[in-house]
Amino acid sequence: EMQLVESGGGLVQPGGSLRLSCVASGFTFSNYAIHWVRQAPGKGLEYVSAISSNGLSTYYANSVKGRFTISRDNSKNTLYLQMGSLRAEDMAVYYCARAYCSGGTCYHLHDYWGQGTLVTVSS
Amino acid sequence: EIVLMQSPGTLSLSPGERATLSCRASQSVSSSFLAWYQQKPGQAPRLLIYGASSRATGIPDRFSGSGSGTDFTLTISRLEPEDFAVYYCQQYESSPYTFGQGTKLEIK
Repeated sequence: EMQLVESGGGLVQPGGSLRLSCVASGFTFSNYAIHWVRQAPGKGLEYVSAISSNGLSTYYANSVKGRFTISRDNSKNTLYLQMGSLRAEDMAVYYCARAYCSGGTCYHLHDYWGQGTLVTVSS
Repeated sequence: EIVLMQSPGTLSLSPGERATLSCRASQSVSSSFLAWYQQKPGQAPRLLIYGASSRATGIPDRFSGSGSGTDFTLTISRLEPEDFAVYYCQQYESSPYTFGQGTKLEIK
């Protein structure tokens, strides 16, 4: 069974840092791009970041560029999101999601999702 | 940036009825790089439709997508109780890869 399990969320003060993790199982992790998508409480979805299957290519939304860093360890089937200079507007549930891939190409849409981890930014 | 506007904001229907949800883009989404997701309370989103009209794995055939250019539609032919949820469209053609604000489908 395919699974994505996020962890690392919690309460952090404005300006602080946090690292999220996402452990994958049930598919060949190293074959897929993986994404982070977030959802502020009661709000819609925002695509935050992505990393290619080999880790060489990354994408960041303008709202997090320069503050967040995405990385992966294919030997551990794990995705990371290092978040810094956190702001109140970063407070959200953060989902990791697998890219839909077909014919050797991965697209910026998300076919399987984890259950999310909540990041709260507050003093 | 491609802005996606979904309408209506809330749709009130009864089980067995047909639902039509709209997603309009501020500029053309070429190659129909448009997806639809369903999200139920407390759950992660689920991919329903990609490429504007292709159903994702395991999605019942009562869900269908159509459209091209700037106008896209998600149709649920006959509503089941489990279909009442929030639906989002997303364009994945060009950065930033944006979502619509969502349509809430509620039981009338």
